[in-house]
Amino acid sequence: AQSVAQPEDQVNVAEGNPLTVKCTYSVSGNPYLFWYVQYPNRGLQFLLKYITGDNLVKGSYGFEAEFNKSQTSFHLKKPSALVSDSALYFCAVRDSDGGSQGNLIFGKGTKLSVKP
Amino acid sequence: DAGVIQSPRHEVTEMGQEVTLRCKPISGHDYLFWYRQTMMRGLELLIYFNNNVPIDDSGMPEDRFSAKMPNASFSTLKIQPSEPRDSAVYFCASRGPINYGYTFGSGTRLTVV
Repeated sequence: AQSVAQPEDQVNVAEGNPLTVKCTYSVSGNPYLFWYVQYPNRGLQFLLKYITGDNLVKGSYGFEAEFNKSQTSFHLKKPSALVSDSALYFCAVRDSDGGSQGNLIFGKGTKLSVKP
Repeated sequence: DAGVIQSPRHEVTEMGQEVTLRCKPISGHDYLFWYRQTMMRGLELLIYFNNNVPIDDSGMPEDRFSAKMPNASFSTLKIQPSEPRDSAVYFCASRGPINYGYTFGSGTRLTVV
């Protein structure tokens, strides 16, 4: 069965410091991995995805994520956090073999709070 | 493309009333999903369609909830009768090719009083 875990309910970071939001996954085949961000009173917005290729994926707003197959992780990172990055972040996974009709499985979300 | 369009953005209704939420997916996307988001339960998948056909409605909480997709450009989620515990933000999302993610609408914030 596919699953995704975001072990932290909340991450607190000072502005200018690097940030990491953690995600681990479990699939039977090769994973397709996604990060979404949700700002207050908004829908989820696509940030970045890993399908194949380079393990370091760059996305919107200066975010990047590193696919680590041995650790089954796909942590979201940013070198220097901004107050405006404060939002709810969702990791999602899909099994490339089409399990669950290829639908995304979402984590429960991590609230990122960046303080000035 | 205008993205996934949901209406209304906000809905306040009295307990017992019927509520209909609407969604227009991105043209060409053949999957459509309805989600509910609450503080307690997070993001829950209610039902999804493929080529206008309901595939999995196991997430629909009760018979009071129903969803339809009469054509490729329109879907509705209906709650009848509504209850205060249905208060949540309801999102619609659509998907195209399998290696792409979902595109979410802005959501409908439902308050049942």
